Amino acid sequence: SQQGEEDPQALSIQEGENATMNCSYKTSINNLQWYRQNSGRGLVHLILIRSNEREKHSGRLRVTLDTSKKSSSLLITASRAADTASYFCATDAGYGGATNKLIFGTGTLLAVQP
Amino acid sequence: ETGVTQTPRHLVMGMTNKKSLKCEQHLGHNAMYWYKQSAKKPLELMFVYNFKEQTENNSVPSRFSPECPNSSHLFLHLHTLQPEDSALYLCASSSGGADTGELFFGEGSRLTVL
Repeated sequence: SQQGEEDPQALSIQEGENATMNCSYKTSINNLQWYRQNSGRGLVHLILIRSNEREKHSGRLRVTLDTSKKSSSLLITASRAADTASYFCATDAGYGGATNKLIFGTGTLLAVQP
Repeated sequence: ETGVTQTPRHLVMGMTNKKSLKCEQHLGHNAMYWYKQSAKKPLELMFVYNFKEQTENNSVPSRFSPECPNSSHLFLHLHTLQPEDSALYLCASSSGGADTGELFFGEGSRLTVL
């Protein structure tokens, strides 16, 4: 199965601290994406990193990708209470070409305490 | 507002009812998706349409019947559902074609089967 797995399943931190979430997957990918979901709502895209990229930044977000280890990490710096949400990684199951088929991981539930 | 609208937001139906979920995107995208999100389970990809053609059916039971009349609209027809089909059904769209890029999600339709 292509499905990714996030680690940890749940994370609780204080406002101002950094939060790191990891994602592992099983097969070759075209790209890896991170999404955020507030409770009971739709998912919102955060960042996309392609298989030939190793690191990407967007505001307070930093994503790394290690294709040799089939893993990625999402770092949120200087966290805020509003960052409380579930975070998912998703992989495109293409092998050098896109499939328009994103498979999502199990998610990390992040709680930021004010 | 993501540009993807799902209706209804909430639906309660009996096992013998027939109902439909509707999704409309105003983003000019060519790929549309149905995902199922059950409690304590990862998102499950159900169907993918790319340029109105179904490119993915992830072994979904026939009681779920998708319809994509054009690139802007996607339906999920429901018939003789089971209580275990109760879940949040998420529609998404993306640019489609040769790139599996960012997915834009609707807010979801919360389905309860009695």
